[in-house]
Amino acid sequence: GQNIDQPTEMTATEGAIVQINCTYQTSGFNGLFWYQQHAGEAPTFLSYNVLDGLEEKGRFSSFLSRSKGYSYLLLKELQMKDSASYLCAPMDSNYQLIWGAGTKLIIKP
Amino acid sequence: EAQVTQNPRYLITVTGKKLTVTCSQNMNHEYMSWYRQDPGLGLRQIYYSMNVEVTDKGDVPEGYKVSRKEKRNFPLILESPSPNQTSLYFCASSFGQSNSPLHFGNGTRLTVT
Repeated sequence: GQNIDQPTEMTATEGAIVQINCTYQTSGFNGLFWYQQHAGEAPTFLSYNVLDGLEEKGRFSSFLSRSKGYSYLLLKELQMKDSASYLCAPMDSNYQLIWGAGTKLIIKP
Repeated sequence: EAQVTQNPRYLITVTGKKLTVTCSQNMNHEYMSWYRQDPGLGLRQIYYSMNVEVTDKGDVPEGYKVSRKEKRNFPLILESPSPNQTSLYFCASSFGQSNSPLHFGNGTRLTVT
């Protein structure tokens, strides 16, 4: 079956760096998305990886290893507004997104 | 402004009373989808549409209907709502290509008593 594994919750300190890991098993692979979702709000797009390696976008970076079925989202210089859930969503061979339950990130002053 | 508009934002109804949640996008997206989100679970797809007059079941289609008569609109219909359909619902759209991110509406919080 198809499966996503992310930590349920993480805590980090303002100004620090945090890495949110995601492992996945899908039927085929057509890229992996990361979304941010603040409580009670809609998910918003953060990044897309289809090739192995690191994609950097400002304070956020996303890494992909297709052979390991592994991705991570790296958040630098954490701000209080980064408190949110982070959703990992690989795309399978039918171009359907497989959603994990997300990682709730709590930022402390 | 490019957006996906869902209405209503909040809805409280009773078991068995038919309801429709509307969704409209102004980005000329081919692909549209409905999801429900429940505590501790990932987004679960209800139905999706690759283009006008083309709809397919997602992972949890039971108790729901959709239609795609126009490209911009993708309403979600609950013919006979039940309490287990109490959830947060999101409509989303994209260009339908593998690297096209989904754009989400603001969500509809539905309570069925």
